[in-house]
Amino acid sequence: GAVVSQHPSRVICKSGTSVKIECRSLDFQATTMFWYRQFPKQSLMLMATSNEGSKATYEQGVEKDKFLINHASLTLSTLTVTSAHPEDSSFYICSASKGAGTGRETQYFGPGTRLLVL
Amino acid sequence: RKEVEQDPGPFNVPEGATVAFNCTYSNSASQSFFWYRQDCRKEPKLLMSVYSSGNEDGRFTAQLNRASQYISLLIRDSKLSDSATYLCVVNLRNTGFQKLVFGTGTRLLVSP
Repeated sequence: GAVVSQHPSRVICKSGTSVKIECRSLDFQATTMFWYRQFPKQSLMLMATSNEGSKATYEQGVEKDKFLINHASLTLSTLTVTSAHPEDSSFYICSASKGAGTGRETQYFGPGTRLLVL
Repeated sequence: RKEVEQDPGPFNVPEGATVAFNCTYSNSASQSFFWYRQDCRKEPKLLMSVYSSGNEDGRFTAQLNRASQYISLLIRDSKLSDSATYLCVVNLRNTGFQKLVFGTGTRLLVSP
């Protein structure tokens, strides 16, 4: 199998607080994990690529100091939204690749985390 | 211009019908192509990869036309369970980590 979990599934927080989202590969080792977000009625957008043991690679326009990514083990990556604001409210989805995350490899997606910042 | 464009639909079809979705992509250097399905408020799930020679998986057939930068998905004998949003996905990078770019999806509603 290839099961990816995320926690929490939904979170409501006040503006200015930080929120941590966990992404775990449950039955395989994920060298590479990807973080996406999806605003209502829009497509998934890649935010960053995280490789175990090294710094994440962020897509253009994504603030690395605001969206902190840690990929400390082969089964866990975390995304921390620091000082969240209402415009950060979105559906955050992670995915994991069994291999290096290149070419035609399949990405297995987690169930997503709905963040609402009040 | 969007990197991946799809008709948002919805496509309303009866059970048993054949339906086709199209997608165009703007980056001619794109290397790999996929169709995902996404159910309402859920994560996307891989339906199939798309190869230049065309490929089939049961009731689903995918085609790629690199010259026209066009991808298609054909669903035969539609089932109620096929109702979902179908996402056309392109990997922009030919080296290094994938960068999957998702279309906004085409919504399919299959009715009894």
